[in-house]
Amino acid sequence: SQKIEQNSEALNIQEGKTATLTCNYTNYSPAYLQWYRQDPGRGPVFLLLIRENEKEKRKERLKVTFDTTLKQSLFHITASQPADSATYLCALGQGSNTGKLIFGQGTTLQVKP
Amino acid sequence: SQTIHQWPATLVQPVGSPLSLECTVEGTSNPNLYWYRQAAGRGLQLLFYSVGIGQISSEVPQNLSASRPQDRQFILSSKKLLLSDSGFYLCAWSVGASGETQYFGPGTRLLVL
Repeated sequence: SQKIEQNSEALNIQEGKTATLTCNYTNYSPAYLQWYRQDPGRGPVFLLLIRENEKEKRKERLKVTFDTTLKQSLFHITASQPADSATYLCALGQGSNTGKLIFGQGTTLQVKP
Repeated sequence: SQTIHQWPATLVQPVGSPLSLECTVEGTSNPNLYWYRQAAGRGLQLLFYSVGIGQISSEVPQNLSASRPQDRQFILSSKKLLLSDSGFYLCAWSVGASGETQYFGPGTRLLVL
């Protein structure tokens, strides 16, 4: 069955450092992969989308890589700030007209001042 | 601009009581609509999705049902709630037929006692 794995342990880093979160998947061939941010008690918010034919995408302090051979995506936040503390979810989609996504369980990032 | 509303924000219901959660989207036409449930500390589980009025697809067998009586209205219902129905319910929309990114509502926290 399709499976998405994100590190269930919280990631604690110091302000100013780079945070790296991992998303691994099996038994799936996604057309694209997305990353969302979720704050406690709120709905997820879209951050970045990367397609199967793209290796890397950047947006301000965010960088996403996508390796379809390793079946892995890495999500980097450079110069991290306490305001970056949240849970980050990866999601895979196949590009069908339904727009269905499969979400990982998320990794909680805590940035300490 | 598009907005998505969910209500109520919080709900406490006894076991065996009925349920009706409502989601409406403004500023877009013919969206794909989704209902997710998120258990505490867990990822998003897709419950239902809809690509048009009256078209509902169920992802997992459960005690819940969904309906889409209007283009931008999505309702999640139950005739008799179970303890296991407790959780954080999220409605989301994407652009129909080509939508990749999903936009989430604020969520409804349901506690069944």
